[in-house]
Amino acid sequence: DVVMTQSPLSLPVTLGQPASISCRSSQSLVHSNGNTYLNWFQQRPGQSPRRLIFEVSKRDSGVPDRFSGSGSGTDFTLKISRVEAEDIGVYYCMQGTHWPPWTFGQGTKVEIK
Amino acid sequence: EVHLVESGGGLVQPGGSLRLSCAASGFTFSNYWMTWVRQAPGKGLEWVANIRHDGSEKYYVDSVKGRFTISRDNAKNSLYLQMNSLRAEDTAIYYCGRARGMEVWGKGTTVTVPS
Repeated sequence: DVVMTQSPLSLPVTLGQPASISCRSSQSLVHSNGNTYLNWFQQRPGQSPRRLIFEVSKRDSGVPDRFSGSGSGTDFTLKISRVEAEDIGVYYCMQGTHWPPWTFGQGTKVEIK
Repeated sequence: EVHLVESGGGLVQPGGSLRLSCAASGFTFSNYWMTWVRQAPGKGLEWVANIRHDGSEKYYVDSVKGRFTISRDNAKNSLYLQMNSLRAEDTAIYYCGRARGMEVWGKGTTVTVPS
């Protein structure tokens, strides 16, 4: 199984400042078809998760452009250019290249400093 | 608008059974893979199972193989998860999601199995 490792697990942030979350996979997530199936999800307190990013860097509809995804192979990053209060919550990466199983990272809790 | 609404959760004794349902609307259900993901209290997300749009392929996390069965009824726009031989470690919120990439999630239904 592919192990997804996020860091940090807790990220205190200052409103208006940038934030970055790392996600590493135990093997390359490049599929034989050339695509890389790495998604990012946001879970606000008390809510169900919401997908933000798919295939490393493609933003889902309605996702603010302050969120961006990047990376390749085994190293991926979610960046928030300027953190807003509504961005507080837990962020998860998930791989969908080597399945089953589909696997998530442990989650990174973003909170106000 | 796309909607997924889970139901069927509850309190069940160890060894018991539950059947979760997920009602889909706002999209052509029969065109999509569907997924179940769970979240134990205070924990992260765990993929549980998914099913191809025509039901011809089904996949499960090892911890539920032989106990859980995913199914769907495309005529009713519904996804199901039959859970048998439930254990305390199955206690979680169960979410259904559209597609293998979980592009849309429901609000979840809570399953509690006391230890």
